[in-house]
Amino acid sequence: ETGVTQTPRHLVMGMTNKKSLKCEQHLGHNAMYWYKQSAKKPLELMFVYSLEERVENNSVPSRFSPECPNSSHLFLHLHTLQPEDSALYLCASSQDGLGGNTGELFFGEGSRLTVL
Amino acid sequence: GQSLEQPSEVTAVEGAIVQINCTYQTSGFYGLSWYQQHDGGAPTFLSYNALDGLEETGRFSSFLSRSDSYGYLLLQELQMKDSASYFCAVLTGANNLFFGTGTRLTVIP
Repeated sequence: ETGVTQTPRHLVMGMTNKKSLKCEQHLGHNAMYWYKQSAKKPLELMFVYSLEERVENNSVPSRFSPECPNSSHLFLHLHTLQPEDSALYLCASSQDGLGGNTGELFFGEGSRLTVL
Repeated sequence: GQSLEQPSEVTAVEGAIVQINCTYQTSGFYGLSWYQQHDGGAPTFLSYNALDGLEETGRFSSFLSRSDSYGYLLLQELQMKDSASYFCAVLTGANNLFFGTGTRLTVIP
């Protein structure tokens, strides 16, 4: 496989469930990101890991919990979500924290989450 | 706060030229990126401008004026496959790429 792969592509969960989204990058990058994409809204940066250390956490509710066990894998653990959390969750990677300041992220195709 | 403004929708004819503008107001600025996203697909990187001026890559060009907090994406010789959403994004820090709401481009025959 090449690029950035995300699983599952679609997820439906109840508000009391616990689930996880998985992201894997095969590009040898050292930074990984979670973005949230909702209709009519900009992509919202949720979490950034650079060299496996979390460097950004843009005031995301604690019901979202990231995990980065190594530079190739990133997880987003979900628990007690709300219907307004329904969105497309995009994972991305880059080299040297945004490609050495080239503004280039490599995105996966996203996990479409629906919270009932 | 931080904001990026771009038109929500643009329609253009196949073979024509279209310009998508982006104005920004951010707390930090390293450069301006552009991304393309087809329905159901991943955003893909198109260009990055850190300095003023025009960058050309094939049919696509991107322009930046830092003094005006303004940039644009220029698409030439439009093709049907160019129908997609286009996002401008400002690199505000080493790891923070702040996105606009996107412009939906529809190319018509």
